[in-house]
Amino acid sequence: DAKTTQPPSMDCAEGRAANLPCNHSTISGNEYVYWYRQIHSQGPQYIIHGLKNNETNEMASLIITEDRKSSTLILPHATLRDTAVYYCIAFNSGGSNYKLTFGKGTLLTVNP
Amino acid sequence: NAGVTQTPKFQVLKTGQSMTLQCAQDMNHEYMSWYRQDPGMGLRLIHYSVGAGITDQGEVPNGYNVSRSTTEDFPLRLLSAAPSQTSVYFCASSYSWVSGSSGYTFGSGTRLTVV
Repeated sequence: DAKTTQPPSMDCAEGRAANLPCNHSTISGNEYVYWYRQIHSQGPQYIIHGLKNNETNEMASLIITEDRKSSTLILPHATLRDTAVYYCIAFNSGGSNYKLTFGKGTLLTVNP
Repeated sequence: NAGVTQTPKFQVLKTGQSMTLQCAQDMNHEYMSWYRQDPGMGLRLIHYSVGAGITDQGEVPNGYNVSRSTTEDFPLRLLSAAPSQTSVYFCASSYSWVSGSSGYTFGSGTRLTVV
């Protein structure tokens, strides 16, 4: 799986959009970009994933650049409950690889 | 629909003791896996299963055994607990391991301390 690079921490004001960047410059054509988050002491929570098109669901939007070397997770109206560690993962389960690998992620702190 | 259920939530073991961490899902998911998370670190894959009767090792399998006799259950057995196994353990499941499928559902974790 391609290595991803995320800033270790970010701050965001409550009610504002939180834009979390992720670099995955070595991503291969069949690797999806997945985002998870982990609120303190809880199990990780799946947010969204995409291959090359932008994606949106009830939680967030995912913007993937045309060259697929980076992506941005957007939380449109951040709340205090969005404070968490956010993980960006490039993953392809082709062949015998089923191993979703988590890095250290970005600690997003939403401030009142 | 309970999702992924892990028991117990907390456990203290003495060095050398054995125990089984339970994981059950009611979503008919094929794929199940166990991760451990140590303070300040990301999650590391211990073992995984792509279906009943099929298991394989992840990054850190030593000291742990798994079996998958049913689709619903994926227990993790610690053979002889060591202080290095003090960690938070998460079980995860997904209906498929195929790229592009929906993400994994995680349990709430088991906090294990080995003294």
